[in-house]
Amino acid sequence: AQSVTQLDSHVSVSEGTPVLLRCNYSSSYSPSLFWYVQHPNKGLQLLLKYTSAATLVKGINGFEAEFKKSETSFHLTKPSAHMSDAAEYFCVVSDQFEDMRFGAGTRLTVKP
Amino acid sequence: DAGVTQSPTHLIKTRGQHVTLRCSPISGHKSVSWYQQVLGQGPQFIFQYYEKEERGRGNFPDRFSARQFPNYSSELNVNALLLGDSALYLCASSLGKVMGIAGGSYNEQFFGPGTRLTVL
Repeated sequence: AQSVTQLDSHVSVSEGTPVLLRCNYSSSYSPSLFWYVQHPNKGLQLLLKYTSAATLVKGINGFEAEFKKSETSFHLTKPSAHMSDAAEYFCVVSDQFEDMRFGAGTRLTVKP
Repeated sequence: DAGVTQSPTHLIKTRGQHVTLRCSPISGHKSVSWYQQVLGQGPQFIFQYYEKEERGRGNFPDRFSARQFPNYSSELNVNALLLGDSALYLCASSLGKVMGIAGGSYNEQFFGPGTRLTVL
């Protein structure tokens, strides 16, 4: 069975400071991993994906994530937060059966 | 290019009623998945259809059913509505499994805006 655990339900940072959103996964197979962002009253948008190529994945809007198999982690980072980054972020795992399992989400607040 | 579209946007029903939600995938996508997102939680997988056949089913009661049509659009049906069915219902479409550069495969899904269902 596959699952993800997002270690923080809420993260608050100041504008211009680094962002770290933590995600641990569990999968019986070589998983695909994703980060999605959901802004209020908007649909889910794919930030980045890991598909067994490079372990450091670059996404949109300056976000990155590193796949660490030994730690079963896929943490999302950004060097400098912007006010527009405030949203709900979901870590997602998908194995060979293709259904996607979402974490509970991390709400990112960016303070001016 | 049009993204994934869903209708209706909002819906209010009463307990015991039936509801049908509709989804049109991105042109060329043959796979449609349905998710339920209860307020404050992550989306939960309900169904996936590929080429009009059910490929996957999540842990939902038989009151939930779906189908995919020859044009790859899809309907999600929920019978005997309960208060707990109130949620945002998301539809996602994809090409199906895509081979990655290193040989691994993945399923990149594109989400619609959702249908907000309120059960009173």
